[in-house]
Amino acid sequence: AQKVTQAQTEISVVEKEDVTLDCVYETRDTTYYLFWYKQPPSGELVFLIRRNSFDEQNEISGRYSWNFQKSTSSFNFTITASQVVDSAVYFCALSNQAGTALIFGKGTTLSVSS
Amino acid sequence: EAGVAQSPRYKIIEKRQSVAFWCNPISGHATLYWYQQILGQGPKLLIQFQNNGVVDDSQLPKDRFSAERLKGVDSTLKIQPAKLEDSAVYLCASSLDRQGHEQYFGPGTRLTVT
Repeated sequence: AQKVTQAQTEISVVEKEDVTLDCVYETRDTTYYLFWYKQPPSGELVFLIRRNSFDEQNEISGRYSWNFQKSTSSFNFTITASQVVDSAVYFCALSNQAGTALIFGKGTTLSVSS
Repeated sequence: EAGVAQSPRYKIIEKRQSVAFWCNPISGHATLYWYQQILGQGPKLLIQFQNNGVVDDSQLPKDRFSAERLKGVDSTLKIQPAKLEDSAVYLCASSLDRQGHEQYFGPGTRLTVT
């Protein structure tokens, strides 16, 4: 069975702090895909990143970076120098090669105060 | 490029009434998904279409929910009769194809059943 666990329910930081959102996944597939989505208060899910199981290179996009480690089945997301606009619910998700729909974690609510 | 469109954005009905939601995916996207997101949880797949065929409807409560995707473009999701526990946000998403492609989500329809 596939499963995504986001153990952090809520995180509160002050602007300019760095914050890491944890994601642990379970799958028996050798080929799979991992995703992060952002859901701001407006409610629309915004795609942030996709990573396939054969690409363990870390990725950086501006203030965002992702650390994928197959050895620990983790795909963690770090926001550097957080801003108030980063306040949202962040979801980690998993799908397999056959193209199943996304299996989402329960989400982590990030609150950034000024 | 236009995003995924959904309507209505909000709907309030009484239990045992029926309701329908509409989704127009991104042009050229073969795969369409309907997810249900209950407050405080991650989205959960209801049904997945590839063009106008159903790929996965294993989690769709078929005694009350139905969905169709005529001509492989627009889709409608219907609930009849609604129950209190159907109160949720119904999200439509589309992707270029099934295998590992990122999904793009619409704004969702917030349903309240009283």
